[in-house]
Amino acid sequence: DQQVKQNSPSLSVQEGRISILNCDYTNSMFDYFLWYKKYPAEGPTFLISISSIKDKNEDGRFTVFLNKSAKHLSLHIVPSQPGDSAVYFCAASGGNQFYFGTGTSLTVIP
Amino acid sequence: EPEVTQTPSHQVTQMGQEVILRCVPISNHLYFYWYRQILGQKVEFLVSFYNNEISEKSEIFDDQFSVERPDGSNFTLKIRSTKLEDSAMYFCASIASSYNEQFFGPGTRLTVL
Repeated sequence: DQQVKQNSPSLSVQEGRISILNCDYTNSMFDYFLWYKKYPAEGPTFLISISSIKDKNEDGRFTVFLNKSAKHLSLHIVPSQPGDSAVYFCAASGGNQFYFGTGTSLTVIP
Repeated sequence: EPEVTQTPSHQVTQMGQEVILRCVPISNHLYFYWYRQILGQKVEFLVSFYNNEISEKSEIFDDQFSVERPDGSNFTLKIRSTKLEDSAMYFCASIASSYNEQFFGPGTRLTVL
């Protein structure tokens, strides 16, 4: 039972443009959401998070949007840079348990 | 900056052998996790550990798996009798408390021959 879904396995974006990565979840009890970035042969690293009391959180080039009614969150990266090329995982939590999506591989083309 | 460390970085073993994967979580963290990622697949939750006991485990975490925090700093994952399908990257993670981001280790690549 996949509680967190990332339906796009890959995404290519031109350098300088916006990257939008999407994530859907099914469990309405989730109230904390995170995005992780992962390079090959490394562990995931935390990028940005949002709690369910907010609908937007911004950190530099990264913004996460949460639409609770649609059970949908997205990560916007603008402007995209070649160093952003990695696999991005969204995760959802109802406390200290985390559920991960399958990941979206982002390629930023110089 | 504090970090989660894992050893070894790569472990090669024969099918049926026991392996122990080691993790040193961040020192003031209270919740510990093991995940695995089979090549090309998603990151899968294995087990969470809090207050010296398992708090939750997935279907993957069967009787072949066990976890231990033997000395207050290390957090180990033992696979008693490895199978070919156990070949994967194994990630350890820890958090300070609920509603905090997980910090992941660099992973151990387990290859079962």
